[in-house]
Amino acid sequence: GAGVSQSPSNKVTEKGKDVELRCDPISGHTALYWYRQSLGQGLEFLIYFQGNSAPDKSGLPSDRFSAERTGGSVSTLTIQRTQQEDSAVYLCASSFGGGSGNTIYFGEGSWLTVV
Amino acid sequence: GENVEQHPSTLSVQEGDSAVIKCTYSDSASNYFPWYKQELGKGPQLIIDIRSNVGEKKDQRIAVTLNKTAKHFSLHITETQPEDSAVYFCAATPYSGGGADGLTFGKGTHLIIQP
Repeated sequence: GAGVSQSPSNKVTEKGKDVELRCDPISGHTALYWYRQSLGQGLEFLIYFQGNSAPDKSGLPSDRFSAERTGGSVSTLTIQRTQQEDSAVYLCASSFGGGSGNTIYFGEGSWLTVV
Repeated sequence: GENVEQHPSTLSVQEGDSAVIKCTYSDSASNYFPWYKQELGKGPQLIIDIRSNVGEKKDQRIAVTLNKTAKHFSLHITETQPEDSAVYFCAATPYSGGGADGLTFGKGTHLIIQP
């Protein structure tokens, strides 16, 4: 596709359930990022993938959060045993090559509500 | 690490007037400064960026200025229109940082254009 694609666009889940959020980056982009945006807040970095390198997981808030990137393309962010404070928009982004200075393109986000 | 402060958090201007959003950063090694616009329900979109080798960049009604000595940069929107209403995010990152942790965002400015 032309842009970063995320699914689902909206997800309501019960506290304690696991959720999976999917990201399909722009074709040819080797770098992929996950950010979290809570209501009225800025963008909080979660995790970064670049090619075949080990991911930068320094932003993951707890061990309930994990992410995979298969085949250097599609990524899945998994949140286990969801809590109400996990409610937020989860944004995926990609860029052509890693490293700073490369333009980062965002998807529309997955809106997660934990009830 | 880098710290980016963004002001104001909310800005209301009359249609046709100019709007200015300011950001300061702490890491003197930062060399790339993008600005993103986020409309309601959408992901952030890059609108303009500036690198440290220039002091100003313009694109139609939008301009960005950079003062590396003072470590601040600003977004200027002239002749504002209703479609400019959105949340604007600034960011800063060093070229050589590599990885997503080099891109630090401000907390955003909610720009409201009054008709």
